[in-house]
Amino acid sequence: TQLLEQSPQFLSIQEGENLTVYCNSSSVFSSLQWYRQEPGEGPVLLVTVVTGGEVKKLKRLTFQFGDARKDSSLHITAAQPGDTGLYLCAGVRAGNMLTFGGGTRLMVKP
Amino acid sequence: GAVVSQHPSWVICKSGTSVKIECRSLDFQATTMFWYRQFPKQSLMLMATSNEGSKATYEQGVEKDKFLINHASLTLSTLTVTSAHPEDSSFYICSANPRGGGRTDTQYFGPGTRLTVL
Repeated sequence: TQLLEQSPQFLSIQEGENLTVYCNSSSVFSSLQWYRQEPGEGPVLLVTVVTGGEVKKLKRLTFQFGDARKDSSLHITAAQPGDTGLYLCAGVRAGNMLTFGGGTRLMVKP
Repeated sequence: GAVVSQHPSWVICKSGTSVKIECRSLDFQATTMFWYRQFPKQSLMLMATSNEGSKATYEQGVEKDKFLINHASLTLSTLTVTSAHPEDSSFYICSANPRGGGRTDTQYFGPGTRLTVL
């Protein structure tokens, strides 16, 4: 069974602070995705990383895929209240099925 | 962009009744749709993979006779929770893979259906 562990599970910070969320696995995935989910809604894809060592930037969000394609991180610079939400990493496995991590619940206080 | 809808968005039912949830891809055809369940404060857990015109593939621990999945067309999959009980109360989310073209690992998620069983 391929498992993805996310840390931290909860994070409460002040507006303007930086943060990093980690996603770790003992298994290799063909690619890894990061999603953001608002309460009562489905997850929305933020990014897909495919190549080991890959770094992608989406405005204040920086995503990195580990060299061995087993881990990934999401770094948010100067967090804003609008960044509040549940962040999920998901490993893509055979048959295009997703294995989701446990999620990181982020709250950014103004 | 690709849009996936779910109906209903929320439903309340009595214990022992059956509930059907629809998942539709509105502007693309989907050869594969996935059904997830999400309990409060938890992540998404894959329940089953639904392929158009064939039987669904269920994840370990998911009762196929309780969660009936039908994927009758390239734009519609349905999940029926039979003889629902309070422990089935959850947020059910579907996703769809576009047929052909684009990234094969792109899944578009529906907005979810909140099921409450009394």
